[in-house]
Amino acid sequence: DGGITQSPKYLFRKEGQNVTLSCEQNLNHDAMYWYRQDPGQGLRLIYYSQIVNDFQKGDIAEGYSVSREKKESFPLTVTSAQKNPTAFYLCASSGRDGSSYNEQFFGPGTRLTVL
Amino acid sequence: AQSVTQLDSHVSVSEGTPVLLRCNYSSSYSPSLFWYVQHPNKGLQLLLKYTSAATLVKGINGFEAEFKKSETSFHLTKPSAHMSDAAEYFCVVSQTLGGNQFYFGTGTSLTVIP
Repeated sequence: DGGITQSPKYLFRKEGQNVTLSCEQNLNHDAMYWYRQDPGQGLRLIYYSQIVNDFQKGDIAEGYSVSREKKESFPLTVTSAQKNPTAFYLCASSGRDGSSYNEQFFGPGTRLTVL
Repeated sequence: AQSVTQLDSHVSVSEGTPVLLRCNYSSSYSPSLFWYVQHPNKGLQLLLKYTSAATLVKGINGFEAEFKKSETSFHLTKPSAHMSDAAEYFCVVSQTLGGNQFYFGTGTSLTVIP
């Protein structure tokens, strides 16, 4: 079964702690993305990666960090510098036909709550 | 520059009546356009996509959308709403050439009244 997995589904963190959200895909996609979604709002881009060992900041990268050491994995770390981390986090990936990117495939999301 | 405007934040329809969710886009290049659906606490699922082939695109669950370049619109329609259609819907644009970023609308919440 091809797809994107995110773990855990629910995550609780104490203030001041770093936490890492997992995202794995077996679709052989080059590009991967992290979004944040707040209640009643759309998606905001945190980081994206077009290729292994390369990634770029999105619109709201402050307080977050990522790595892309393997094509299939794109973990997101929410650091203590992120002032309001409670949100729903979505990971996505996208493949290419030549120079054109196809649609994004999304994982089921991780709901992070800071206590 | 790419951008998407979803014209309605909330739409309510009665079960069995037509659905219209409106989306306008701005794109410097030939765009790819997508509609996604999100049920509560779930990821996004692709409903349909336009990638410069037929302007009328048919998707899953009876949804379709028409690409109108002159109006820069990509409205989502369904002839008859079902209770299971109640969800959040997102219109998305991306560039077709060399593009690797996707631009999301703010979403439209669809309520289906029994």
